[in-house]
Amino acid sequence: KAGVTQTPRYLIKTRGQQVTLSCSPISGHRSVSWYQQTPGQGLQFLFEYFSETQRNKGNFPGRFSGRQFSNSRSEMNVSTLELGDSALYLCASSLRERADTQYFGPGTRLTVL
Amino acid sequence: GQQLNQSPQSMFIQEGEDVSMNCTSSSIFNTWLWYKQDPGEGPVLLIALYKAGELTSNGRLTAQFGITRKDSFLNISASIPSDVGIYFCAGHTFGNTPLVFGKGTRLSVIA
Repeated sequence: KAGVTQTPRYLIKTRGQQVTLSCSPISGHRSVSWYQQTPGQGLQFLFEYFSETQRNKGNFPGRFSGRQFSNSRSEMNVSTLELGDSALYLCASSLRERADTQYFGPGTRLTVL
Repeated sequence: GQQLNQSPQSMFIQEGEDVSMNCTSSSIFNTWLWYKQDPGEGPVLLIALYKAGELTSNGRLTAQFGITRKDSFLNISASIPSDVGIYFCAGHTFGNTPLVFGKGTRLSVIA
């Protein structure tokens, strides 16, 4: 069974631009969570989707948004990029509705110049 | 919000030595997870624990779900160079709450 896939793996943007990241969960998994990882802050929860509905949201500004499609694939969008948005963005999927056992993708490394 | 205290923050050990790390919380968790992350990659799930007192092994790795539900331990026996990486603990409380992560233990193995 294929694991969680994320595209693109690397991205370079400039301040003020916007970016869309994509995540395909493990086949059969309906819960998708997104995290931002930086050296100083560790893994920070962004949001979680289940059956196309956002169930939880972390403490991030409204510039960060996401959605989930009927095939469970998910996208996250960051608008008006800032230098501090440079990070590894990780997507994780879970089979159980409780999303307590999550499997991560390889991440998208975003660099904002 | 909830926090997991993971210790130690970093470890330098000799190849062949055993390693112990742990995670504690002031809150009760119903699931404990241990992940390993290599540089530039996503965390890989090593062990999942679902019952208080549960002891689970995965090769040279053994993890335990504390009886109080407020802690968990990960042991690595006979460490090898490929054990190098960052180990994260994560906990889940109940219902549709998100996972809570520790800040990680960075393990270095000296050959």
